[in-house]
Amino acid sequence: AQSVTQPDIHITVSEGASLELRCNYSYGATPYLFWYVQSPGQGLQLLLKYFSGDTLVQGIKGFEAEFKRSQSSFNLRKPSVHWSDAAEYFCAVEGRGGSYIPTFGRGTSLIVHP
Amino acid sequence: EAGVTQFPSHSVIEKGQTVTLRCDPISGHDNLYWYRRVMGKEIKFLLHFVKESKQDESGMPNNRFLAERTGGTYSTLKVQPAELEDSGVYFCASSQVSRNTEAFFGQGTRLTVV
Repeated sequence: AQSVTQPDIHITVSEGASLELRCNYSYGATPYLFWYVQSPGQGLQLLLKYFSGDTLVQGIKGFEAEFKRSQSSFNLRKPSVHWSDAAEYFCAVEGRGGSYIPTFGRGTSLIVHP
Repeated sequence: EAGVTQFPSHSVIEKGQTVTLRCDPISGHDNLYWYRRVMGKEIKFLLHFVKESKQDESGMPNNRFLAERTGGTYSTLKVQPAELEDSGVYFCASSQVSRNTEAFFGQGTRLTVV
């Protein structure tokens, strides 16, 4: 069974600073990988996804993530954080063998200081 | 195009009462999923429909939870009788039945059992 670890419960950054949110997964092969964001009062919005090909994936809102097979990681990055990026971020994986049922990490709450 | 919609957005009920949550998926999406997030924990899978059929309900916590999907369109999730530990945010998601596609999530229903 697949699993996801997001080791940071909270991350605090200053506006304009760079950001990296960590995600490690456990799965026997290369899974499908996703990052979702949930802003207050909103649903889960897909930021980016990795299915195959280029391991550096570009997403919406200036986010990118890099799949590193050797480290079983899919960390999310943004070079300059905006106050509106304050939200909760979820990494998710899906095994390629079965039906599409993503498994989520517990989320990382991003706090942005002015 | 309308996204996944969930009703109600919030519900506060007393222990022992019944609550029914509703999810309207994106039109044409045969996959429908229910997830739950208890405060501070990961988003956990509850069950998966393909059209009106339950494909996987391994995540349903117990027999107080009943999910239906009439005619393969909208879905309901009934909790009867509700217990305090049922409190959390219930998410619904839908997707097409094809590979290399992601699930689209609703805004969630925040259920509070008092």
